[in-house]
Amino acid sequence: EAQVTQNPRYLITVTGKKLTVTCSQNMNHEYMSWYRQDPGLGLRQIYYSMNVEVTDKGDVPEGYKVSRKEKRNFPLILESPSPNQTSLYFCASSLGTGIYEQYFGPGTRLTVT
Amino acid sequence: QKEVEQNSGPLSVPEGAIASLNCTYSDRGSQSFFWYRQYSGKSPELIMFIYSNGDKEDGRFTAQLNKASQYVSLLIRDSQPSDSATYLCAVGVIIQGAQKLVFGQGTRLTINP
Repeated sequence: EAQVTQNPRYLITVTGKKLTVTCSQNMNHEYMSWYRQDPGLGLRQIYYSMNVEVTDKGDVPEGYKVSRKEKRNFPLILESPSPNQTSLYFCASSLGTGIYEQYFGPGTRLTVT
Repeated sequence: QKEVEQNSGPLSVPEGAIASLNCTYSDRGSQSFFWYRQYSGKSPELIMFIYSNGDKEDGRFTAQLNKASQYVSLLIRDSQPSDSATYLCAVGVIIQGAQKLVFGQGTRLTINP
């Protein structure tokens, strides 16, 4: 089954404790992206990757890091999480470039206390 | 000015009626347009995409694109209670060389039995 997977699905952590949210797709997509979704603010792009070893900042990159060492994986790293990073996070991938349809993972609900 | 604008709703429609969702965008160079459906707490699911002016029909859904007026709409015929969700409009743009989907904040649709 073609899909984007994320882990963990739910995470409660404390301020400053480094965490990684994994994302993997099995569709051989070149483009991958991370979004956060907050009430009233909609979906905002954090980082994206056009291909292996090619990543770039989205609209809200502060406090996040990413890496793309393999085509299928695109982990999101929070080196020192803060409460304002409490949000619903989605990973997405696209066959073509970023302007074409993107397929979303199931989401990760993160709470930072 | 927001790049992609939608009326946040809620939009309430009786079962069996036509639901009409609208979206305007600011970048005249936009090339790709998408409608996603998102149930509460779930990931966005692609419903329709449209690239050319005019109408595109898929079952009960019709997407309409008017590039001259910079709007895209989604019509849902014979609305069902299961259509109750938030509908996200997304537009593919190229900003400073970066290709991305820009999402509207979504319109919350409620179908009343």
